[in-house]
Amino acid sequence: DQQVKQNSPSLSVQEGRISILNCDYTNSMFDYFLWYKKYPAEGPTFLISISSIKDKNEDGRFTVFLNKSAKHLSLHIVPSQPGDSAVYFCAASHGWRTGANNLFFGTGTRLTVIP
Amino acid sequence: DAGITQSPRHKVTETGTPVTLRCHQTENHRYMYWYRQDPGHGLRLIHYSYGVKDTDKGEVSDGYSVSRSKTEDFLLTLESATSSQTSVYFCAITGTKNNSPLHFGNGTRLTVT
Repeated sequence: DQQVKQNSPSLSVQEGRISILNCDYTNSMFDYFLWYKKYPAEGPTFLISISSIKDKNEDGRFTVFLNKSAKHLSLHIVPSQPGDSAVYFCAASHGWRTGANNLFFGTGTRLTVIP
Repeated sequence: DAGITQSPRHKVTETGTPVTLRCHQTENHRYMYWYRQDPGHGLRLIHYSYGVKDTDKGEVSDGYSVSRSKTEDFLLTLESATSSQTSVYFCAITGTKNNSPLHFGNGTRLTVT
């Protein structure tokens, strides 16, 4: 039973435009959310996170938005660059802390940024 | 980069054979994890460890065992590999700060024929 869902398996965007990756979750207890980026033949790398006490967190070109009432989060990449082409995973947890084992991942969205 | 090395990077094995995957970290972190990644499922937790000789099951632990005899090494064993265990396996650690995210190794691609 997938508690974190990424309903778009793939997304193509022109270089310089905005990329919007979406993620939905079903567990209303989730209070910490993360995005990971994965290149082929590499492990996922942490990108950005947000706590449920916020509705937005920004880090350079990357912004994550959280809509708790809709159980929805999105990752915006502006402007998109060819090096952003990767698979993006969202993940969610209730009470995440170092050493926890309750992080649930979505199925991933493959972003292709077209030069 | 977190100092995590997984070995081997690729392995092909036959159904019914035992397989051990190794994860080695140089960060001296207490917590280590094994995940598998499959199309349509994302990453799922197999087992994790919260210290030497302290391990526990994750979401998809059936058919897998783990051992952690040293802080730096976390081994994942498939006692009798099955085709359903064909997957990409990732080891991860967490940092020392509270709310530290997971840091992953580069994965082992295992094919069971």
